[in-house]
Amino acid sequence: LAKTTQPISMDSYEGQEVNITCSHNNIATNDYITWYQQFPSQGPRFIIQGYKTKVTNEVASLFIPADRKSSTLSLPRVSLSDTAVYYCLVGENYGGSQGNLIFGKGTKLSVKP
Amino acid sequence: EAGVTQFPSHSVIEKGQTVTLRCDPISGHDNLYWYRRVMGKEIKFLLHFVKESKQDESGMPNNRFLAERTGGTYSTLKVQPAELEDSGVYFCASSQVAGGGADTQYFGPGTRLTVL
Repeated sequence: LAKTTQPISMDSYEGQEVNITCSHNNIATNDYITWYQQFPSQGPRFIIQGYKTKVTNEVASLFIPADRKSSTLSLPRVSLSDTAVYYCLVGENYGGSQGNLIFGKGTKLSVKP
Repeated sequence: EAGVTQFPSHSVIEKGQTVTLRCDPISGHDNLYWYRRVMGKEIKFLLHFVKESKQDESGMPNNRFLAERTGGTYSTLKVQPAELEDSGVYFCASSQVAGGGADTQYFGPGTRLTVL
């Protein structure tokens, strides 16, 4: 499974757009890129997932360049409640046969008023 | 739709005692996973059930840990006897079997285990 590298921490102010970039140089052809969010005393929560180009949902956007060696999670207009740890995960998940997720240290995002 | 639930939320036991953690996955989810985070470390995979069968238990630390999922519904993780280094937060996650593509896992709130 591909190793990921992301910033340890980031600070932002309310209302700003936050972009968190994750490097995954050894990503394999069958690997998907998934981002999870975790608040203190809670389990990780799925945010977004993609394979290539751009994916957008009601929470975030995920940008993946053509070589797929990196990805960027974009959070539009963050609020104080977006303060959390964000994990970038890369792996193959077909039918649950290789379903174990490998978490890194994540990026601790602090949003200030 | 109810999410993944775990019980208890916090357990404090003494070294040598036995503790059983329970996870109730989202209804209809065939895949059930256990993970844990020990102090200061990353979240680590423990094992994976598909229905009642253990698909992958490569992350189980030793034979003091026993996971079961009788009937393919809820799962239990027993630690016997507990050691100090077992302290941490134990997460459970579940997912549907995907026909192809990625398989989204939904996590429970975790059980915090403290071994004194």
